[in-house]
Amino acid sequence: GNSVTQMEGPVTLSEEAFLTINCTYTATGYPSLFWYVQYPGEGLQLLLKATKADDKGSNKGFEATYRKETTSFHLEKGSVQVSDSAVYFCALKNTGNTGKLIFGQGTTLQVKP
Amino acid sequence: ETGVTQSPTHLIKTRGQQVTLRCSSQSGHNTVSWYQQALGQGPQFIFQYYREEENGRGNFPPRFSGLQFPNYSSELNVNALELDDSALYLCASSRLGLAGEETQYFGPGTRLLVL
Repeated sequence: GNSVTQMEGPVTLSEEAFLTINCTYTATGYPSLFWYVQYPGEGLQLLLKATKADDKGSNKGFEATYRKETTSFHLEKGSVQVSDSAVYFCALKNTGNTGKLIFGQGTTLQVKP
Repeated sequence: ETGVTQSPTHLIKTRGQQVTLRCSSQSGHNTVSWYQQALGQGPQFIFQYYREEENGRGNFPPRFSGLQFPNYSSELNVNALELDDSALYLCASSRLGLAGEETQYFGPGTRLLVL
């Protein structure tokens, strides 16, 4: 079945450090891939997405490239800020499947000043 | 443009009771999906509504039911509440495309505590 696996957290970094959060997936067909971010006590915000192989999604300095050959969609940022502290979720949706987003378990990022 | 809104923000119920959660979709969207997020976990898909009909369901029992109204807002109803139903309930709205492509935008959630 379809699934998403994220690296376990928490990930603790100093401000201005480089961030990578790994995400791999298992899916039939050609899924769309997403990163969502959840700040404490809030709902999910869409961070970026990619709909086909080799697409790069980007937003607010975050990037992720859809790698079909390695079934991965790793999230990266060159220089993190304290305000980036949150839980990050990788998710997939198969085209044609009825609405179901499949999420990873989430990775907590803590950025220290 | 108004985003996705949910009400209430917090709710406390006791076992066996029934609860109704509400969601208003983002302007221009025709589809609403509901998710349950237990503490420390990723959201789990409950079901989706498109044009007032259920358009897919996750692995949840029939006591979880829903409605979508002509203005695309939606309700999630849970009967016979159990302690394990305590969670954050998230609503997401989207515009379903011809090829099934969609991007879901989430509301702030309703936190339900069952005692």
